[in-house]
Amino acid sequence: DTAVSQTPKYLVTQMGNDKSIKCEQNLGHDTMYWYKQDSKKFLKIMFSYNNKELIINETVPNRFSPKSPDKAHLNLHINSLELGDSAVYFCASSHPRDGNTEAFFGQGTRLTVV
Amino acid sequence: AQSVTQLGSHVSVSEGALVLLRCNYSSSVPPYLFWYVQYPNQGLQLLLKYTSAATLVKGINGFEAEFKKSETSFHLTKPSAHMSDAAEYFCAVSELGGSEKLVFGKGMKLTVNP
Repeated sequence: DTAVSQTPKYLVTQMGNDKSIKCEQNLGHDTMYWYKQDSKKFLKIMFSYNNKELIINETVPNRFSPKSPDKAHLNLHINSLELGDSAVYFCASSHPRDGNTEAFFGQGTRLTVV
Repeated sequence: AQSVTQLGSHVSVSEGALVLLRCNYSSSVPPYLFWYVQYPNQGLQLLLKYTSAATLVKGINGFEAEFKKSETSFHLTKPSAHMSDAAEYFCAVSELGGSEKLVFGKGMKLTVNP
């Protein structure tokens, strides 16, 4: 009965590869997000989708492409992986009301690029 | 644009001692404020949130925070620390009428000594 689930939990891959991370929420929320947490634990938003429509794209390299097949899913595809992409990626969902953006987070995907 | 400042990166307290984690925010419009906790290798869990109702907000696990507009602060406290409180704590802000995202502080690692 996990609310926000993302797979895989760990991902180790070589530079130059292409990889995807999947996220699903069963909360009935209409907004989903990808956040990146770097090695210093700093969290920053990457993308936000509302009902399958891209709302926020925070100057992320275009090697990162989110895809939302429906409002319960938001996947993240990364092309030509670089060492600097190593981080923990968190999926989240919310039902924003007037800026009240209480978000529910997945367990994270630790991506290591070698 | 909104922002959050969490000064320092690490707080160490003794078990049973007061926990005080500071958070100051910057926002041009009335903010919504959140505290999240992250246990090792886990996702983020909401501790409490301020959404313009009561200025003293009670959360889970005995934590509370007080919104002080004059000081632009939203400090997190707990009267008596428990070993299980050891984790990373993040303050975050979103804005009424703003974009639907959370802006996080840099986080504070809480260590609880026996």
